[in-house]
Amino acid sequence: GAGVSQTPSNKVTEKGKYVELRCDPISGHTALYWYRQSLGQGPEFLIYFQGTGAADDSGLPNDRFFAVRPEGSVSTLKIQRTERGDSAVYLCASSLDEQGEAFFGQGTRLTVV
Amino acid sequence: SQQGEEDPQALSIQEGENATMNCSYKTSINNLQWYRQNSGRGLVHLILIRSNEREKHSGRLRVTLDTSKKSSSLLITASRAADTASYFCATERLNSGYALNFGKGTSLLVTP
Repeated sequence: GAGVSQTPSNKVTEKGKYVELRCDPISGHTALYWYRQSLGQGPEFLIYFQGTGAADDSGLPNDRFFAVRPEGSVSTLKIQRTERGDSAVYLCASSLDEQGEAFFGQGTRLTVV
Repeated sequence: SQQGEEDPQALSIQEGENATMNCSYKTSINNLQWYRQNSGRGLVHLILIRSNEREKHSGRLRVTLDTSKKSSSLLITASRAADTASYFCATERLNSGYALNFGKGTSLLVTP
């Protein structure tokens, strides 16, 4: 595609529910990154994929968070048992390879009520 | 933890004036980047400066890097209302591809 696409753009869920956030990277980009941005803060790294594998998941805050990229393209960030503190904008970025400039999607604004 | 710290947190200027934002970081870097974000959503890459460079220009943007002080500055000259946005500096996470550590950002307001 022309750019990184994230769906949905907004998601409201109840505390305790499970959510999935989707990221479609730029076609051909092998590296994919997830970030979380809370209000008034800068983006915070969550996880980095090179191809299908998670090369660095050290930013995931706890085991309620999980991400997959089974075919090396689309990625899904999964959050179990959501908490109000999970409310944030979740940003996805992709780059041609691990040395290339990263391009960001518009993000998914998650609100846990 | 986030690597960069920008100051000021917020900056308000009038069109035509210059805007200067500063960033400090903690560890050695290969390069430092500046990003812009409108309305709290997608980030746009503005400029990258490598550790062996001291100054770089791109249009109305001028970035400086002082590795001895672990600091960088972003100057926007002749600002426009359309420059209103948040600006972040970012450094690369060690051994994590192109993954970045971002600062908290400077919120710039340019009034007509």
